[in-house]
Amino acid sequence: GQQVMQIPQYQHVQEGEDFTTYCNSSTTLSNIQWYKQRPGGHPVFLIQLVKSGEVKKQKRLTFQFGEAKKNSSLHITATQTTDVGTYFCGRGTGNQFYFGTGTSLTVIP
Amino acid sequence: DAGVTQSPTHLIKTRGQQVTLRCSPISGHKSVSWYQQVLGQGPQFIFQYYEKEERGRGNFPDRFSARQFPNYSSELNVNALLLGDSALYLCASSLQSRSPRGTEAFFGQGTRLTVV
Repeated sequence: GQQVMQIPQYQHVQEGEDFTTYCNSSTTLSNIQWYKQRPGGHPVFLIQLVKSGEVKKQKRLTFQFGEAKKNSSLHITATQTTDVGTYFCGRGTGNQFYFGTGTSLTVIP
Repeated sequence: DAGVTQSPTHLIKTRGQQVTLRCSPISGHKSVSWYQQVLGQGPQFIFQYYEKEERGRGNFPDRFSARQFPNYSSELNVNALLLGDSALYLCASSLQSRSPRGTEAFFGQGTRLTVV
């Protein structure tokens, strides 16, 4: 359907290790957004990708949009305990917006 | 500047009752969207309003309705509550009518609804 699939569903890493979550769609995406939701919190916008093959960086976070605009990834280098939370990708279509299934990240100190 | 504010923060209702949730967007934002987030799942899109008109609707039954006022605040109404309506209801505001498709959305803290 409209939802984008994310893998993995859960990820536990030692502090300092890297982390990657992948977002996959069966249809071409006009754009993709990434959000972070801390436990007990609300989603917070991280970034939007629009162009095919686009790569954007925010400090230790690297976001990539696939060449075919059907997938995207978020990579965190050297995770910290502050990175804990669930990371969602999301796609817009028409005047609707659909979040991905999310990847819950646990960082072990 | 105040962010997106939602009220109430928590609510307990009985099955069959009706509930109204409220949202005030960030000053200057004309678009408001509503989402339902069941525990352990991602937010599910319910409605988008812009300039007091419904611009988008997700796959929710007619028991769910909403409206946007001249000051751009919004209300979400749910009638004939079911146990399965228990969830965190999130409101998000953004600047443009193209939201939530292509513009950053700012979320409120949500209203935690429990139906018993």
